[in-house]
Amino acid sequence: SAVISQKPSRDICQRGTSLTIQCQVDSQVTMMFWYRQQPGQSLTLIATANQGSEATYESGFVIDKFPISRPNLTFSTLTVSNMSPEDSSIYLCSVEIAGASTDTQYFGPGTRLTVL
Amino acid sequence: AQSVTQLDSQVPVFEEAPVELRCNYSSSVSVYLFWYVQYPNQGLQLLLKYLSGSTLVESINGFEAEFNKSQTSFHLRKPSVHISDTAEYFCAVREGGYNKLIFGAGTRLAVHP
Repeated sequence: SAVISQKPSRDICQRGTSLTIQCQVDSQVTMMFWYRQQPGQSLTLIATANQGSEATYESGFVIDKFPISRPNLTFSTLTVSNMSPEDSSIYLCSVEIAGASTDTQYFGPGTRLTVL
Repeated sequence: AQSVTQLDSQVPVFEEAPVELRCNYSSSVSVYLFWYVQYPNQGLQLLLKYLSGSTLVESINGFEAEFNKSQTSFHLRKPSVHISDTAEYFCAVREGGYNKLIFGAGTRLAVHP
């Protein structure tokens, strides 16, 4: 597995502002993912971030709203832009660790965002 | 397209009782199956996974899950639960050759004394 940290752990923001969430891994990984968990709901994949290429966004998510950076193999950021109360969620990053037969995703502790 | 159905949104149970959390998936190709646990105010932790081989997989804290291809199920069981097992449990599926995990809606397990 891997040790994954996220900053901030939580934040309360005003609508119209932006927040950048950081994800740090203690080992080099090829694939990193960003998920959203809305209150009382399951996880939804926002995008896949590979180092050296642009992030790949899932249906319903766009780069202007959720820009992602992946400057190296241990770090990524997700920005939630022009926030509204509907963006209040837990945002989690995950990394993929290669295994004997397939890769497994491990998750960070999450960033709990509240937008007022 | 893949989908994951967790049939129970909440499962209340008394301490030391057995429990089963149900998970069904839909996919036309080979899949890898996972159970994640989310304790209150924490991130997701991998509980166990089925990749290939034996259809019965176990976790270090007494949970087990059995892959049933004919019924497209991956139910999670524990013969005797503890208060500390209170958490949200998520079933997830991944099709071979793809990186994307599809999660079920989650089952909230509440263990009462």
